Amino acid sequence: QVQLQESGPGLVKPSQTLSLTCTVSGGSISSGDYYWSWIRQHPGKGLEWIGYIYYSGNTYYNPSLKSRVTISVDMSENRFSLNLTSVTAADTAVYYCASLVVITGNFEYWGQGTLVTVSS
Amino acid sequence: QSALTQPASVSGSPGQSITISCTGTSSDVGSYNLVSWYQQHPGKAPKVMIYEGSKRPSGVSNRFSGSKSGNTASLTISGLQAEDEADYYCCSYAGDITYVFGTGTKVTVL
Repeated sequence: QVQLQESGPGLVKPSQTLSLTCTVSGGSISSGDYYWSWIRQHPGKGLEWIGYIYYSGNTYYNPSLKSRVTISVDMSENRFSLNLTSVTAADTAVYYCASLVVITGNFEYWGQGTLVTVSS
Repeated sequence: QSALTQPASVSGSPGQSITISCTGTSSDVGSYNLVSWYQQHPGKAPKVMIYEGSKRPSGVSNRFSGSKSGNTASLTISGLQAEDEADYYCCSYAGDITYVFGTGTKVTVL
């Protein structure tokens, strides 16, 4: 069974870049079965799809975040990463990585989530 | 790309059935059979309960069922149990390789 684990700083200063990594175990990130995704949840709020990457390197982003988001993949380490630039307090959220099934379009496996707080 | 609309809360007594609606547009829910539903308990990651509108992943109780009519998808929980108390989110493919989530519904078991 695929397992995902987020890692990265829990505190980021305003205007800086938020960087998170998701390590995949129990499966290969190059399998082609999944889009490797990032989703966030503001405190007490709903889920927001950020974007995803295919093992080929093709990326797809939420239009509302597209100008600030970069998702990359490191197949040698079986992990993928999120960079979100110019953060503000509005980017404070729990960030989840998840595997989006290519054929059926559902988020099958999820990481436990990591809280990132933007504050000086 | 606006969030899909769900009722903020739905409640029911043990053993009853409840239905959660998820209203989108002809650009998302209405155009694709790629609606999924997620259950989220407090402090936990979401868990997929329904995919492709009405299919259940292995291990999900058959008390959970999904359907769609026009621009609205629905999740029905029958034989409501205490463990079903959680937040529920719908999600739909929205074209142009993008996805959109619903606003979320808090289910309370009375």
